[in-house]
Amino acid sequence: AQSVTQLDSQVPVFEEAPVELRCNYSSSVSVYLFWYVQYPNQGLQLLLKYLSGSTLVKGINGFEAEFNKSQTSFHLRKPSVHISDTAEYFCAVSGGSNYKLTFGKGTLLTVNP
Amino acid sequence: DGGITQSPKYLFRKEGQNVTLSCEQNLNHDAMYWYRQDPGQGLRLIYYSQIVNDFQKGDIAEGYSVSREKKESFPLTVTSAQKNPTAFYLCASRGPGELFFGEGSRLTVL
Repeated sequence: AQSVTQLDSQVPVFEEAPVELRCNYSSSVSVYLFWYVQYPNQGLQLLLKYLSGSTLVKGINGFEAEFNKSQTSFHLRKPSVHISDTAEYFCAVSGGSNYKLTFGKGTLLTVNP
Repeated sequence: DGGITQSPKYLFRKEGQNVTLSCEQNLNHDAMYWYRQDPGQGLRLIYYSQIVNDFQKGDIAEGYSVSREKKESFPLTVTSAQKNPTAFYLCASRGPGELFFGEGSRLTVL
């Protein structure tokens, strides 16, 4: 079984400030990890993914995440956010070849001017 | 353009009625998925299919049914047995290393 915990349900920040959205996972097998973004009333768009290799993963829109196996974490970071980054962010884990993604409950990032 | 098309985008139904949500993909992907999204709950897997004419229950399959007669299509029926069907429904297909999502269908039961 696998699970994902997103530690913050809401994160308010000011424009141009750095942000970190936290994600912890549990799984009994090797994992694949993902961050998706969702704008209101839309589907999900992939920000970045960790499948193997380097533990620092860079994604679209200036986001990056670091896979930490010992702490079972996959936190998402951006050094300077924009108003347009306001959205809900989902961390997800997959532990097998069937790609059954298990999602966290989401973190609503609100960027204020 | 390649992608996943869900329809309708908004749907209203009365209690006791079945409703079918459409999901079509032209990405030539074998595997397809249906998720349900409720506020503050994240996404929960309803059904998935890894190949034509085969599908498996996810975590919350009760009150739902699916079919997979064609590679491109994976419709979801929300039956009258689903006790709380009002939600946002997302269809996805699996490409290399990731899932690709449609724009979603919002179902409201009146």
